[in-house]
Amino acid sequence: DGGITQSPKYLFRKEGQNVTLSCEQNLNHDAMYWYRQDPGQGLRLIYYSQIVNDFQKGDIAEGYSVSREKKESFPLTVTSAQKNPTAFYLCASSPGLATGGETQYFGPGTRLLVL
Amino acid sequence: ILNVEQSPQSLHVQEGDSTNFTCSFPSSNFYALHWYRWETAKSPEALFVMTLNGDEKKKGRISATLNTKEGYSYLYIKGSQPEDSATYLCALIYSGAGSYQLTFGKGTKLSVIP
Repeated sequence: DGGITQSPKYLFRKEGQNVTLSCEQNLNHDAMYWYRQDPGQGLRLIYYSQIVNDFQKGDIAEGYSVSREKKESFPLTVTSAQKNPTAFYLCASSPGLATGGETQYFGPGTRLLVL
Repeated sequence: ILNVEQSPQSLHVQEGDSTNFTCSFPSSNFYALHWYRWETAKSPEALFVMTLNGDEKKKGRISATLNTKEGYSYLYIKGSQPEDSATYLCALIYSGAGSYQLTFGKGTKLSVIP
């Protein structure tokens, strides 16, 4: 089955700790994205990557870091600098470059909670 | 950050009723509009990508129209069924500044009552 997987489904972070959210796709898509959802708000873009070894900041990149060493993987690290990390995180991908005209395919999400 | 407004925020309809909701956006530098359906405990699923003024798209009982000059898109559901219950997301892409990022509205949550 082709698709996007995110793990874990739930993640707990202690104060001052970095945590990494996994996102893997087997759709052979070039572009990948990370979004954050907070209650009562629309999805907001954290980072996106158009190609391996390249990524760009979205609207709310502060306190987050990403890497794109392989086409199929785009992990997101929530660092201790992110002061309000509790949220639902969605990963997505699209076939070609992030030109806007292409559908994005979403994973099931990871809910991050701070202890 | 550009503003994408969706209305209503939520609505309840009876099974069999038809319904529609709105996505409003600034019309300058418009590039593309996406509609997604997000059912509870599932991943958002693409419905339509629309790019041209006057575009109309249809998928089964769901259709959408686009007016880029006045800055709105309507999503219509004909004969609502319980399985249509979901949050419907509108997302815009604007050209300029060398990037094509999706800006999402907050969504319209539809509940279809059997």
